[in-house]
Amino acid sequence: EAQLVESGGGLVQPGGSLRLSCAASGFTFRSYEMNWVRQAPGKGLEWVSYSSSSGTTTYYADSVKGRFTISRDNAKNSLFLQMNSLRVEDTALYYCASLDGGVPFDIWGQGTMVTVSS
Amino acid sequence: DVVMTQSPLSLPVTLGQPASISCRSSQSLVYRDGSTYLNWFQQRPGQSPRRLIYKVSNRDSGVPDRFSGSGSGTDFTLKISRVEAEDVGVYYCMQGSHWPPYTFGQGTKLEIK
Repeated sequence: EAQLVESGGGLVQPGGSLRLSCAASGFTFRSYEMNWVRQAPGKGLEWVSYSSSSGTTTYYADSVKGRFTISRDNAKNSLFLQMNSLRVEDTALYYCASLDGGVPFDIWGQGTMVTVSS
Repeated sequence: DVVMTQSPLSLPVTLGQPASISCRSSQSLVYRDGSTYLNWFQQRPGQSPRRLIYKVSNRDSGVPDRFSGSGSGTDFTLKISRVEAEDVGVYYCMQGSHWPPYTFGQGTKLEIK
């Protein structure tokens, strides 16, 4: 069964850093583009970042550009999000997800909560 | 950025009755390859989102056939032919034709009357 499991969330002070991880299993991770999507408490979904299947192409939402870095290790079936200079408004549940609307396969993890507060 | 606008934002429905959610984009979602990358997601309470429909009208594996998607250009609709209790949750449309960024609608909360 295909599965994504996120980890690394927690409570951090404004200006701090966190590194999120997403472990994939049950599918050929290296073949899929991957994304991070977040959901602030009680709010809707917001796309955060994209990685091509090889990791050579990345994109970011304007709200996180210059502060967040997406990366992946296909040998370890893992996706990462390095988050620096965190702000209160970055508080959210962070999901890794495939999001490729052109293929009959879509997968989301259960999310990892990031709380930025003093 | 493409703005996705859903309506209604709240949708009370009687069990067994149909339901319809509209999603409009601020520009045509026809991509240069001729496809239209409009997806629908369902998020049940306390759960992660799950994709129901991709490329306007294609149901994902395991999605009941009471869910259907239609539309073209800038106007799209998700229909549930007969609402069941398990359909309670929030529904989002998302465009993947003009990205980055991928953009979602605000979400439509479906509840049982």
